Amino acid sequence: AQKVTQAQTEISVVEKEDVTLDCVYETRDTTYYLFWYKQPPSGELVFLIRRNSFDEQNEISGRYSWNFQKSTSSFNFTITASQVVDSAVYFCALSENTNAGKSTFGDGTTLTVKP
Amino acid sequence: DAGVIQSPRHEVTEMGQEVTLRCKPISGHDYLFWYRQTMMRGLELLIYFNNNVPIDDSGMPEDRFSAKMPNASFSTLKIQPSEPRDSAVYFCASSLSGPYNEQFFGPGTRLTVL
Repeated sequence: AQKVTQAQTEISVVEKEDVTLDCVYETRDTTYYLFWYKQPPSGELVFLIRRNSFDEQNEISGRYSWNFQKSTSSFNFTITASQVVDSAVYFCALSENTNAGKSTFGDGTTLTVKP
Repeated sequence: DAGVIQSPRHEVTEMGQEVTLRCKPISGHDYLFWYRQTMMRGLELLIYFNNNVPIDDSGMPEDRFSAKMPNASFSTLKIQPSEPRDSAVYFCASSLSGPYNEQFFGPGTRLTVL
């Protein structure tokens, strides 16, 4: 069975600090996909990034970066020089190849960036 | 292309009333998902469809909940009778086929049952 754990329920930082959101997953599949979604205060969930299990290369997109490590079953998300607009709930999700179409979401981490 | 459309955006009803939530997925997407989000339980998958066929409804809380997808462009989630504990934000999402495809979420329907 697939499972996603986001141990950090809430994180609060001051603007310009770096922050890392943790995501640990469990799966028996060798082929799977990991996602991060953002839910700003407006409420709508927005896709941020996707990673497949065969690609452990880290990715950077502006102030956002993702660190995928199969050895520790983790897919962590780092925001560099955080801004108030980064305040949101962030969800990590897992989709298995054998369970096509269905994603399991973590409980989310609420990030508050204070000015 | 328009995103996932949900209606109504807000619904306030009284306990015992029937509630129908509506969703129009993105054209061409063959997966449709219904989620419920509450503070206590987080984001829960209720049911999902593939090509209009329900695949997994194990997340549907009880018989008071039902979902249909009569065609590729429309789905409903019905609660009858509604109870105060059903108060939540209900999201509809759609995606293309395949586990590697991200889901596109609608704006959600905020349901309040008094």
